Amino acid sequence: NAGVTQTPKFQVLKTGQSMTLQCAQDMNHNSMYWYRQDPGMGLRLIYYSASEGTTDKGEVPNGYNVSRLNKREFSLRLESAAPSQTSVYFCASSERGDRGTSSTDTQYFGPGTRLTVL
Amino acid sequence: KQEVTQIPAALSVPEGENLVLNCSFTDSAIYNLQWFRQDPGKGLTSLLLIQSSQREQTSGRLNASLDKSSGRSTLYIAASQPGDSATYLCAVKVIWYNNNDMRFGAGTRLTVKP
Repeated sequence: NAGVTQTPKFQVLKTGQSMTLQCAQDMNHNSMYWYRQDPGMGLRLIYYSASEGTTDKGEVPNGYNVSRLNKREFSLRLESAAPSQTSVYFCASSERGDRGTSSTDTQYFGPGTRLTVL
Repeated sequence: KQEVTQIPAALSVPEGENLVLNCSFTDSAIYNLQWFRQDPGKGLTSLLLIQSSQREQTSGRLNASLDKSSGRSTLYIAASQPGDSATYLCAVKVIWYNNNDMRFGAGTRLTVKP
């Protein structure tokens, strides 16, 4: 049981390049999330997927797209990277994304992807 | 707009001391509040989750309280150990925004000295 895995761990891009961050969970969770973490700002939600086949914008969606490929996988794509997207990106999952119980609301995080855009 | 604040940004204590970490939020219309631990270069680990109808949750040496009316939560760590050194973040799940929107504080970096 690996929990939430993310690839790659590190990435350096030039401005204008594109890339996809991969995330997978093996806990049979319904909901998955993408966050970015910047120094001194805490985590901010980019996109989430409440269940397979659905995605919704979070607090900072501009410049990103997502795909919920199946129940296990949720990818984040940067179409044209900008220096402002330099950050650490975290994927998370929870058993149930809507108003559930303490156990179903608890989010489990991956180890993160450190992205630098030059 | 919901804002979450954690003060202080950093805290250093000697081993064995009991300590309290603070979290405040501006809008009391929350669904739940969650405390996380983050080790350097790692992801977040959930410590405790308090539903809006609850007042506190306990796990081992950790106790988290919630006072919605005042917009405050505290994380109490008893008999601190060097292994407790990490950044502690709180996050609130808001009601009036989309169902899955969690707002995070910037965290308190805790150092427990041997």
